[in-house]
Amino acid sequence: GENVEQHPSTLSVQEGDSAVIKCTYSDSASNYFPWYKQELGKRPQLIIDIRSNVGEKKDQRIAVTLNKTAKHFSLHITETQPEDSAVYFCAASKGTGGFKTIFGAGTRLFVKA
Amino acid sequence: GAVVSQHPSWVICKSGTSVKIECRSLDFQATTMFWYRQFPKQSLMLMATSNEGSKATYEQGVEKDKFLINHASLTLSTLTVTSAHPEDSSFYICSARDAASGGAGTQYFGPGTRLTVL
Repeated sequence: GENVEQHPSTLSVQEGDSAVIKCTYSDSASNYFPWYKQELGKRPQLIIDIRSNVGEKKDQRIAVTLNKTAKHFSLHITETQPEDSAVYFCAASKGTGGFKTIFGAGTRLFVKA
Repeated sequence: GAVVSQHPSWVICKSGTSVKIECRSLDFQATTMFWYRQFPKQSLMLMATSNEGSKATYEQGVEKDKFLINHASLTLSTLTVTSAHPEDSSFYICSARDAASGGAGTQYFGPGTRLTVL
């Protein structure tokens, strides 16, 4: 069935450094790839998303890249700040089959001040 | 922006009782809502897709008779955990897809409900 793999599971960076989280998906029909940030005890919040007709998208310090051929996409956070510390989930979805979204296992990001 | 509410935010119940959790889209219509379960330090596990006016679609391994889902309107879906047992204790999160969005659409999450079964 559909699967999304996410790496690394834990990432620790120094404040100001960049952080990269990578995901691969199995269903080639997936066409929508959101990234969510979840702080402890809170709901996942959408931080950026990309559709399959776009290779890259940027929003201030956050960028996402998509390689449809290889079926992988990545989240890049530059100039990390302590408040970026959270769990990040990648996900893959498609416009058919009930629009269900498959989530990666999550990456726990620690930004050390 | 799109807001999804969930009620209750937490509930403690005795083993064998049933618990109903509500998920509402406050400022948009949601033909599709999703119910997830999340264990500590783990990812969101999709339990079922709730479709307005029709039966829910359950993921493999999720008992539909135990987790009853009703999506009676475009803004409300309910999840009822029937005859709850301690192993059902978890964080349940719903999400709603904006019906006005095209393609796969963005999902907006509720704040979650922490269920503890004694």
